[in-house]
Amino acid sequence: DAKTTQPPSMDCAEGRAANLPCNHSTISGNEYVYWYRQIHSQGPQYIIHGLKNNETNEMASLIITEDRKSSTLILPHATLRDTAVYYCIVRAHTGTASKLTFGTGTRLQVTL
Amino acid sequence: DVKVTQSSRYLVKRTGEKVFLECVQDMDHENMFWYRQDPGLGLRLIYFSYDVKMKEKGDIPEGYSVSREKKERFSLILESASTNQTSMYLCASSLVILGAAEAFFGQGTRLTVV
Repeated sequence: DAKTTQPPSMDCAEGRAANLPCNHSTISGNEYVYWYRQIHSQGPQYIIHGLKNNETNEMASLIITEDRKSSTLILPHATLRDTAVYYCIVRAHTGTASKLTFGTGTRLQVTL
Repeated sequence: DVKVTQSSRYLVKRTGEKVFLECVQDMDHENMFWYRQDPGLGLRLIYFSYDVKMKEKGDIPEGYSVSREKKERFSLILESASTNQTSMYLCASSLVILGAAEAFFGQGTRLTVV
């Protein structure tokens, strides 16, 4: 699985958009980009994933660059409950065993 | 909804004890994973399994073993617990398919070895 690079921490004011970047310059053609988040003392929670097109769901939007070497998770109106560690992962699914490797993530602090 | 259940939320064991951490999922997922999480180090993969009786080493398998006798259950075993295995342990499961599949996590077991 390709390695990802994220900033260790970010701050965001409540009500503003939080834009979390991720670099995955060695991503392969069959690898998806996933985002998870972990709120303190809980297990990680899936947010969104994409392959090459931008994606949106009820939680967030995912913007993937055309060369797929980086992506941005957007929380459009951050709230205090969005304070968490956000993990960007790339993972291939080939129908066989598939490792799932996390890095250290970005700690997002949403403030009043 | 998919549910991944870890048998204990908190556990205290003595050095040298054999420790079993149990994980059960109810969605017929082929893939199951065990991680440990320590401050500043993120989630590190210990072992994963892609089918009954099948297992693969993750990034930090030393001092651990696993067992997958039934599809829904994946056990992490500390043969002789040591204080440096004090950590939060997280279990996850996912499908094995062509294409994308999200992983579902349990709530974690905080193990303290004294």
